[in-house]
Amino acid sequence: QVQLVESGGGMVQPGRSLRLSCAASGFTFSSYGMHWVRQAPGKGLEWVAVISYDGRNKYYADSVKGRCTISRDNSNNTLYLQMSSLRVEDTAVYYCAKEQLVYFDSWGQGTLVTVSS
Amino acid sequence: SYELTQSPSVSVSPGQTARITCSGDALPKKFAHWYQQKSGQAPVLVIYEDIQRPSGIPERFSGSSSGTMATLTISGAQVEDEADYYCYSTDSSANHRGVFGGGTKLTVL
Repeated sequence: QVQLVESGGGMVQPGRSLRLSCAASGFTFSSYGMHWVRQAPGKGLEWVAVISYDGRNKYYADSVKGRCTISRDNSNNTLYLQMSSLRVEDTAVYYCAKEQLVYFDSWGQGTLVTVSS
Repeated sequence: SYELTQSPSVSVSPGQTARITCSGDALPKKFAHWYQQKSGQAPVLVIYEDIQRPSGIPERFSGSSSGTMATLTISGAQVEDEADYYCYSTDSSANHRGVFGGGTKLTVL
């Protein structure tokens, strides 16, 4: 079965950087687009970024554009989100999600990023 | 930027029908998908492509779409259906950037 396991979250000071990872298993990772979605404490879901199956195409939400880079390593079945110039408002649980056509059919359990001085 | 609008809350008694709506200008051309999120858990897909129900999702969950509004209907809502529900779609330019509605808290009591 599909399994997505996020890691790399933690507490970081404003302005610093962090890299999140998502280890995928149970499906042919290199055949699917992958997304990052986040959820601030007590708030709704926010789409963050998407990367195509081959890594060639990447799109970002306006709130993170220029500060985040989505990437993938198809040889190691891993998705990444490099976040820089972190802000307090980036505090959230970050989920990776597997794309099926134009929706997500599988989600990880999330990793918490806390940006605080 | 593109937005999807949901009412913040819906409340029904067990056995009643709950309807959760999602409005967006691009919905006539783009599919709506629905996710259920229970407290402390990751979201779960309950309806995709406006009307399709994934395997394992109870038949009481159904979806519809007309014009700029998509609707998630829970017929005979159960206490275990109490959760936050989010609609999701993509922006009007291409299927590149995603957008979620603000979420609807469903209370069943």
